[in-house]
Amino acid sequence: AQSVAQPEDQVNVAEGNPLTVKCTYSVSGNPYLFWYVQYPNRGLQFLLKYITGDNLVKGSYGFEAEFNKSQTSFHLKKPSALVSDSALYFCAVRDGDTNAGKSTFGDGTTLTVKP
Amino acid sequence: KAGVTQTPRYLIKTRGQQVTLSCSPISGHRSVSWYQQTPGQGLQFLFEYFSETQRNKGNFPGRFSGRQFSNSRSEMNVSTLELGDSALYLCASSFGGTGNLAGIYEQYFGPGTRLTVT
Repeated sequence: AQSVAQPEDQVNVAEGNPLTVKCTYSVSGNPYLFWYVQYPNRGLQFLLKYITGDNLVKGSYGFEAEFNKSQTSFHLKKPSALVSDSALYFCAVRDGDTNAGKSTFGDGTTLTVKP
Repeated sequence: KAGVTQTPRYLIKTRGQQVTLSCSPISGHRSVSWYQQTPGQGLQFLFEYFSETQRNKGNFPGRFSGRQFSNSRSEMNVSTLELGDSALYLCASSFGGTGNLAGIYEQYFGPGTRLTVT
């Protein structure tokens, strides 16, 4: 079975400060990892993914994430937060070796960036 | 490219009725997945269709079913509705793939269908 944990329901940061949204995962095969963002009254949007290769991946809106195999983590980061980054963030995992079309999502982390 | 479209956007049904939701993926996308989103349970995977075949299934009862047509459009059906089925149902499309490529593509989500069961 595959699973994702986002240990923080809520993350609060001040504008201009760095932000981190945490994600840990569990799969039996090769992990394919994704971050999505859901803005208020808008649909889920893809931010970035890790499939293979460089552990640091860069995505939309200045976000990046680091894949850490030993810690089974894929934390989302941004060097300088904007108020407009306030949204609900979801981490998702697929098992690259079996049933790769099935995505398991974390419960989501609400990011609030205050001016 | 046009995005993922879902119809209807809002639906109110009574317990015991059945409902059919529709999803049109992005042109060229062959994989369509369905999710149930609720405040308490988050995003729960229902099933994935690829080239008209159900390729993956989540842990939902048999009342939840789906299908995919040759043009990749997909429908989801829920029979004998229960109050607990009230949720936002999201459809997501991706380019898809088979074998080692099956899961590498990101998903594009539609706006969802808000189903209320009374």
